[in-house]
Amino acid sequence: KNQVEQSPQSLIILEGKNCTLQCNYTVSPFSNLRWYKQDTGRGPVSLTIMTFSENTKSNGRYTATLDADTKQSSLHITASQLSDSASYICVVSVGDSSYKLIFGSGTRLLVRP
Amino acid sequence: GAGVSQSPRYKVAKRGQDVALRCDPISGHVSLFWYQQALGQGPEFLTYFQNEAQLDKSGLPSDRFFAERPEGSVSTLKIQRTQQEDSAVYLCASSSSIGGSYNEQFFGPGTRLTVL
Repeated sequence: KNQVEQSPQSLIILEGKNCTLQCNYTVSPFSNLRWYKQDTGRGPVSLTIMTFSENTKSNGRYTATLDADTKQSSLHITASQLSDSASYICVVSVGDSSYKLIFGSGTRLLVRP
Repeated sequence: GAGVSQSPRYKVAKRGQDVALRCDPISGHVSLFWYQQALGQGPEFLTYFQNEAQLDKSGLPSDRFFAERPEGSVSTLKIQRTQQEDSAVYLCASSSSIGGSYNEQFFGPGTRLTVL
């Protein structure tokens, strides 16, 4: 069964600190992996998209990594800000019908002043 | 418009009532998707439209759920005889590309449905 698992479920950090969120997937065939940020009451917004041949991609203070061999990804947030408080969702696209996205349950991040 | 819009943003229905949720995709976007997001969970795929054609409805949980996009733009998700387990946020997303391995999906804010 195609699954995406994320850890931790929730995380609290102090403003200015770094953090790393983890994602493991069992999706086949794999097409690409995305990280989305979802603010409370809003729809998800894409942060990064990576294919199997890409092992790192940055978007400002967000850096995603992908190890297609171990089927693991991480999202690193540098110098956190209060506005980073949100859910971060790892999403994998299934290769044979790549419009179909498999979502993880997300990591809820709270950045405290 | 500037982004995907959905209406209403909140809907409270009594069990057994029919509801209709509307999605206005980004102008010109060919592909449209509906997702269901239960509390504390990631979204789950419901259905996919390419223009007015519903190409995949494999995620619709029962025959009480029906979606349409008659003119290839606005879409409506209809739920008949709502049940408490239908309570969720219903997200709509649109994309400028047709399928493809790298299509960016832009999400609306969702409609939060509560069935009493």
